[in-house]
Amino acid sequence: DAKTTQPNSMESNEEEPVHLPCNHSTISGTDYIHWYRQLPSQGPEYVIHGLTSNVNNRMASLAIAEDRKSSTLILHRATLRDAAVYYCILRASILTGGGNKLTFGTGTQLKVEL
Amino acid sequence: DTAVSQTPKYLVTQMGNDKSIKCEQNLGHDTMYWYKQDSKKFLKIMFSYNNKELIINETVPNRFSPKSPDKAHLNLHINSLELGDSAVYFCASSQAVGQGAGANVLTFGAGSRLTVL
Repeated sequence: DAKTTQPNSMESNEEEPVHLPCNHSTISGTDYIHWYRQLPSQGPEYVIHGLTSNVNNRMASLAIAEDRKSSTLILHRATLRDAAVYYCILRASILTGGGNKLTFGTGTQLKVEL
Repeated sequence: DTAVSQTPKYLVTQMGNDKSIKCEQNLGHDTMYWYKQDSKKFLKIMFSYNNKELIINETVPNRFSPKSPDKAHLNLHINSLELGDSAVYFCASSQAVGQGAGANVLTFGAGSRLTVL
């Protein structure tokens, strides 16, 4: 599986936007970029995913670089409830036998302060 | 109703014992998974079943045996428990591989914390 690189931790103030970066320079042309988050003592939770175009949903926005070697998860207004570990994951293409396998890295611990 | 439910939530047992963790999903998904999260918080896939058929087995010791009686259930049985098996085990489910955008999204349970003494 192609690898992703994320900062170990980031801090934000409540009500401010947060930009969580992810580098994936070895991404293949058919890999989807997924973001999950894990709140304390809970299971991972799907946030958003994309392939080439930027994506928006009720939780966040995903900005994908034109060369697809990096992406940024954007939380428009961070709240205390957004404090979690955020994982950027490349989903191996089913065309190469990856199926629905998601390989988690170490993620970014987001701390949100008042 | 909880979408993916695991039982028990906590399990403390002695080395050498055999234990099971149960998982049920009410989302109508065809694919289910077991992930292990160790003390360093690394999440690793262990198994994946699609409609009761094993499709992913990630070099897990034979002491671990998943069982899927139907596509809504995937149980994990562990024989001869070892100290290194202590971890949080997460069950997850998704739509079948390749079936539209939903196939991309995994729904996880809350986890089962196993402590082997």
